[in-house]
Amino acid sequence: GAVVSQHPSWVICKSGTSVKIECRSLDFQATTMFWYRQFPKQSLMLMATSNEGSKATYEQGVEKDKFLINHASLTLSTLTVTSAHPEDSSFYICSARIPGQGANEQYFGPGTRLTVT
Amino acid sequence: AQSVSQHNHHVILSEAASLELGCNYSYGGTVNLFWYVQYPGQHLQLLLKYFSGDPLVKGIKGFEAEFIKSKFSFNLRKPSVQWSDTAEYFCAVNANSNYQLIWGAGTKLIIKP
Repeated sequence: GAVVSQHPSWVICKSGTSVKIECRSLDFQATTMFWYRQFPKQSLMLMATSNEGSKATYEQGVEKDKFLINHASLTLSTLTVTSAHPEDSSFYICSARIPGQGANEQYFGPGTRLTVT
Repeated sequence: AQSVSQHNHHVILSEAASLELGCNYSYGGTVNLFWYVQYPGQHLQLLLKYFSGDPLVKGIKGFEAEFIKSKFSFNLRKPSVQWSDTAEYFCAVNANSNYQLIWGAGTKLIIKP
């Protein structure tokens, strides 16, 4: 149980275009999902916390107008990278938390490799 | 600000060697502590977690970790590593009600067969 999927697993896009990444909890409902960015040889950087039915909470330094997050249902959160530039190329990972769990355990998706040319 | 530090960025061991990966955090209050593993080409998986009770926690695949509150540490151990333990290991801490995790930089472990 507790499987999280991401789609697509990799995407190449041209500079200036927008890309949408989906994060789905397959066998549980997730009121809270997290979006991370992982740079090569570095740890995960939390970008935003996505709560179902409300606006996402962005971390300091993350442009909310550039990284649009929508958590429209209990099993789906989307991250849209708008007007992508080469510096947005990275590995984006989502995770989901099972509500009601005592400890804060997150289940991770496999990640999406974004390359902006 | 809260932070998590992992002492070694790269560790190379031979099979059957004992492993200890260090993790220290900076936060004075109640914390939840995690070790995650990322095998090559795979997504992050939970190895073990601590949130209360016995400070020595056992996880999957023979891993264990000890929470030492006085040292703000949560070191990961395995008595005898295998080639299949080659992976990147991340320590993470949660210390707020928003369920956000603060991550260490990760330790890349390579086991020589």
